[in-house]
Amino acid sequence: DAGVTQSPTHLIKTRGQQVTLRCSPISGHKSVSWYQQVLGQGPQFIFQYYEKEERGRGNFPDRFSARQFPNYSSELNVNALLLGDSALYLCASSGPGTGQHTPNTGELFFGEGSRLTVL
Amino acid sequence: RKEVEQDPGPFNVPEGATVAFNCTYSNSASQSFFWYRQDCRKEPKLLMSVYSSGNEDGRFTAQLNRASQYISLLIRDSKLSDSATYLCVVNRGRTLPYILTGGGNKLTFGTGTQLKVEL
Repeated sequence: DAGVTQSPTHLIKTRGQQVTLRCSPISGHKSVSWYQQVLGQGPQFIFQYYEKEERGRGNFPDRFSARQFPNYSSELNVNALLLGDSALYLCASSGPGTGQHTPNTGELFFGEGSRLTVL
Repeated sequence: RKEVEQDPGPFNVPEGATVAFNCTYSNSASQSFFWYRQDCRKEPKLLMSVYSSGNEDGRFTAQLNRASQYISLLIRDSKLSDSATYLCVVNRGRTLPYILTGGGNKLTFGTGTQLKVEL
C-alpha cells in the first residue's frame, strides 16, 4: 500500500529560477496539503487542495502557487526563487483511504519531502 | 506571539527516564490537537491525538488543558529509539467529517522539542 510520494527528492536551483515539485497522495485520499519546513523550525502551511480546488492558503507570497489534478496528484510551483526558499517541502494527504491509511481526526500522512537548495 | 509555542530543547535524558514536554497555543478556537514525531531529516509522523479526557498509548501519555491552552506529552521509561523531535500540532479546522471533506485541514506546527535519550 503506497504512501505519499514526492519528486524530486533533492534539487538545487539558483536565485531567480523557478521550481515545480510533485506529489501523489495515498490512494483514495482527495486532500493534499503543502508545507515548508526550514531547518530548525516546524512545518509551515502553504496550501491545501481538495477535489481540485484550493481550500486553504498560508501566509506565503504570490510566487508560490499550486494545483491539483483530476487524479488528486498535486504540483507546487515557486517562481523567482530566493535564498530563503531553501527548505524541505512536504506534501501531505488526508481523507478516507484504504488499508492502513485510515483517517484519524485530522491526521496527515506526509511524504518524505523535496529538499530544495537555492544558491 | 507564536500560535503554537514549544521549548526547542534539546532535552538530554538517560535511558529509562521520564520526560515531559509542554506546548501552549494562542487560539482558543482551536479544535483538535496532536503530537507528531519527526526523526532527523525525515517526514513528520503522527504519534498520538490529544483528547480533553487525556489519552495513553503505552509509554506515552498526552493531556489537554483547554482552560490554560496547553498540551503536554509524557514519555515514561525512555528508550534510545525515542530520540527525535516532537512537534506539537494544533488544528483550527473542525473535526470529522468536516475535515475529511476538505473544509479546513490546516495544521499549525510548533517549532518542535528535540529529545536525546542517552545510555
